[in-house]
Amino acid sequence: QKEVEQDPGPLSVPEGAIVSLNCTYSNSAFQYFMWYRQYSRKGPELLMYTYSSGNKEDGRFTAQVDKSSKYISLFIRDSQPSDSATYLCAMTPTGGFKTIFGAGTRLFVKA
Amino acid sequence: SAVISQKPSRDICQRGTSLTIQCQVDSQVTMMFWYRQQPGQSLTLIATANQGSEATYESGFVIDKFPISRPNLTFSTLTVSNMSPEDSSIYLCSVAAQGNTEAFFGQGTRLTVV
Repeated sequence: QKEVEQDPGPLSVPEGAIVSLNCTYSNSAFQYFMWYRQYSRKGPELLMYTYSSGNKEDGRFTAQVDKSSKYISLFIRDSQPSDSATYLCAMTPTGGFKTIFGAGTRLFVKA
Repeated sequence: SAVISQKPSRDICQRGTSLTIQCQVDSQVTMMFWYRQQPGQSLTLIATANQGSEATYESGFVIDKFPISRPNLTFSTLTVSNMSPEDSSIYLCSVAAQGNTEAFFGQGTRLTVV
């Protein structure tokens, strides 16, 4: 079993839709949770960062962490064609530095 | 956040040769990381580059194949040695924020071995 599981997709939605991206994990020591966006032929770009459980909102993006269920989500409201990219979840344990990445979900937002 | 410049951005190399990838950061950082991202796959950590000491390699990666230098707190290089087509991948340099939580990435080096 992988430490971090993420559905690779692809996920195709119409413009304006609400997108839900999810990851599950098995290591209860993870405390820092990140979402990265990676456009084709580019390096990953940090999108959202959350510590422990709870929600964090930034514009059209909301990150949720449910540590009891070992489940994290990224919601994108009013999705745009420019949101088309691969989204990677990532997490780091307390006191550690080794970040573990999910496989990434490819998202296509159709105009 | 940190600004990371990585060179070259891409290269096509002959098998059996070596390629050195450079990573320059705009601020001093304690830890720098090198990742590999194979086509359609997620990121796999190759090694952690520590200033003033040898790099720490992850399981499946060895120094003879991926020698790393870290001469100062803003610069590191990764060499992919004796390349084979299986080494075709994107190689990414990364640095961690204080507390080693958020990681920031360079644009990556797209390597094709023929």
